[in-house]
Amino acid sequence: DAGVTQSPTHLIKTRGQQVTLRCSPKSGHDTVSWYQQALGQGPQFIFQYYEEEERQRGNFPDRFSGHQFPNYSSELNVNALLLGDSALYLCASSSGQAETQYFGPGTRLLVL
Amino acid sequence: EDQVTQSPEALRLQEGESSSLNCSYTVSGLRGLFWYRQDPGKGPEFLFTLYSAGEEKEKERLKATLTKKESFLHITAPKPEDSATYLCAGKNNAGNMLTFGGGTRLMVKP
Repeated sequence: DAGVTQSPTHLIKTRGQQVTLRCSPKSGHDTVSWYQQALGQGPQFIFQYYEEEERQRGNFPDRFSGHQFPNYSSELNVNALLLGDSALYLCASSSGQAETQYFGPGTRLLVL
Repeated sequence: EDQVTQSPEALRLQEGESSSLNCSYTVSGLRGLFWYRQDPGKGPEFLFTLYSAGEEKEKERLKATLTKKESFLHITAPKPEDSATYLCAGKNNAGNMLTFGGGTRLMVKP
């Protein structure tokens, strides 16, 4: 049973560029959440997608946007990258209203 | 605004030396308190979900407990392979986001 997968594993970008991160949920899951984890801190909620719509959003600017596809996979897009966007970006999947979220390995983004 | 605070930030134990990690929370209408383990450079691995005060859950050397204001992760006779960062998170009754604490970095020396 495949768990949550994310791509790429690592990414280096420069300020002002745009980036797209991808996530495939655990088999049988239909809900995808994205989190940002700065070094030495706990993850912070960016947004959650369910039925191809953004269901809830955290305190992140509009530069952060997302999408969910009919197969439940999801993308996180970040525009106009800032140095402070350097972090580990985590995708978590869950099933409907089930409480537990299962995390993928993350994408490490470095902005220079 | 929901808040989750973990202490201590870092904890060094000798192998076999039992201890507890603390998670204090202020979460509106708590719908679940979650514990995760995170190894360096990897995603969090789910450990436990607790739903109501007085609930306890165990897995190998770990036991999680919940009160109305705190949760504790008790580690009994830890081994070096228990070294990791332990994260707790709360979910409120208004949505599906997890609010995480800053984590406790546990180091167990042989």
